[in-house]
Amino acid sequence: GAVVSQHPSWVICKSGTSVKIECRSLDFQATTMFWYRQFPKQSLMLMATSNEGSKATYEQGVEKDKFLINHASLTLSTLTVTSAHPEDSSFYICSAPWFAGKINEQFFGPGTRLTVL
Amino acid sequence: DAKTTQPTSMDCAEGRAANLPCNHSTISGNEYVYWYRQIHSQGPQYIIHGLKNNETNEMASLIITEDRKSSTLILPHATLRDTAVYYCIAHGSSNTGKLIFGQGTTLQVKP
Repeated sequence: GAVVSQHPSWVICKSGTSVKIECRSLDFQATTMFWYRQFPKQSLMLMATSNEGSKATYEQGVEKDKFLINHASLTLSTLTVTSAHPEDSSFYICSAPWFAGKINEQFFGPGTRLTVL
Repeated sequence: DAKTTQPTSMDCAEGRAANLPCNHSTISGNEYVYWYRQIHSQGPQYIIHGLKNNETNEMASLIITEDRKSSTLILPHATLRDTAVYYCIAHGSSNTGKLIFGQGTTLQVKP
């Protein structure tokens, strides 16, 4: 199957700094990618849809100025957590869909664990 | 996407079949039933999907009732590595592709 990678796999940063997380589709092109956040013992929460060549679409309640998304190419989307605070500590996961007719299958990255001190 | 309801947790003995139920009583005609699982601290993994007919692949079988209001994911011979959270998602073919995850079922496979 297709592979989606994320970098870094984990990061620790100080409060107030910005952190960039990369999501890459390794063997297929993805005009759309999705970013999720997951707190401990909770389900995945969709944050935003990353669109190649256009602005990201954010879910209700997600601050677009805090979580900057850039879909630089057909294989790369980045999520930048700006001015991170301890409450932003979470597991961030990206996914890219693969469409075949009416079927779409999502390929997920391995996730990035962010810890803000 | 239609709402799905799953039991919070289930146990299964290693080597036995694990049957994970999902209710999706408001599913519409163009919505597929997808199953994903998430092993601890990893990204979710696609398992199987179906529309009306039962489906089987190398990982699992999916049984969908005739009225499509519920389905069951079957792991025929559960192993310890199948311990994970299993998510059932009803997803329309015309959707943009974004998935909305519920709470899922935590399956604990025990030796």
